[in-house]
Amino acid sequence: DSGVTQTPKHLITATGQRVTLRCSPRSGDLSVYWYQQSLDQGLQFLIQYYNGEERAKGNILERFSAQQFPDLHSELNLSSLELGDSALYFCASSRDRFYEQYFGPGTRLTVT
Amino acid sequence: DQQVKQNSPSLSVQEGRISILNCDYTNSMFDYFLWYKKYPAEGPTFLISISSIKDKNEDGRFTVFLNKSAKHLSLHIVPSQPGDSAVYFCAGADTGANSKLTFGKGITLSVRP
Repeated sequence: DSGVTQTPKHLITATGQRVTLRCSPRSGDLSVYWYQQSLDQGLQFLIQYYNGEERAKGNILERFSAQQFPDLHSELNLSSLELGDSALYFCASSRDRFYEQYFGPGTRLTVT
Repeated sequence: DQQVKQNSPSLSVQEGRISILNCDYTNSMFDYFLWYKKYPAEGPTFLISISSIKDKNEDGRFTVFLNKSAKHLSLHIVPSQPGDSAVYFCAGADTGANSKLTFGKGITLSVRP
């Protein structure tokens, strides 16, 4: 158990809809990262927040947005969903060294 | 543009033998490299890392080798155990630029009893 929690575990929704994925980092970790893993793809970095502020951005679509709240939990919002958005979405957190990240179990999103 | 490449999608080895997982990168700005292990239905778990100022880092049965001139790193697992069966991701980081980790697509390791 990494100490990072993600909800929900599974999500099935239709094209055009909007969903919110939630992540709670390990106790004491200020950084939260979001990754997408599509079929046959590696982990694609989406975005990082540090203590409530956006720190780094990857290949995140404009339809996607994220935020980190004062209690340090984070939410990833995906809107106008397309079939190609079906993927595993992982959240990770880190403390002192950003490159040693602790991952949650992921949320599997299926868009039908 | 795939900056981290794990060209072999899978590897099968006998229990007790050595597993060698390879990784190539193209971004010369990467100065830190990591290996993560992932079991089904779980998130990736940090395994071992190496700084670009070193060419080897060892942690128990796991050793990572870095060849900067070839832009190549490898993970050696000796001896391999059935519990090592998992997907292994290689990742690179440019620690001076940002907090982004760039991952490869992963290698599925199967260790046969």
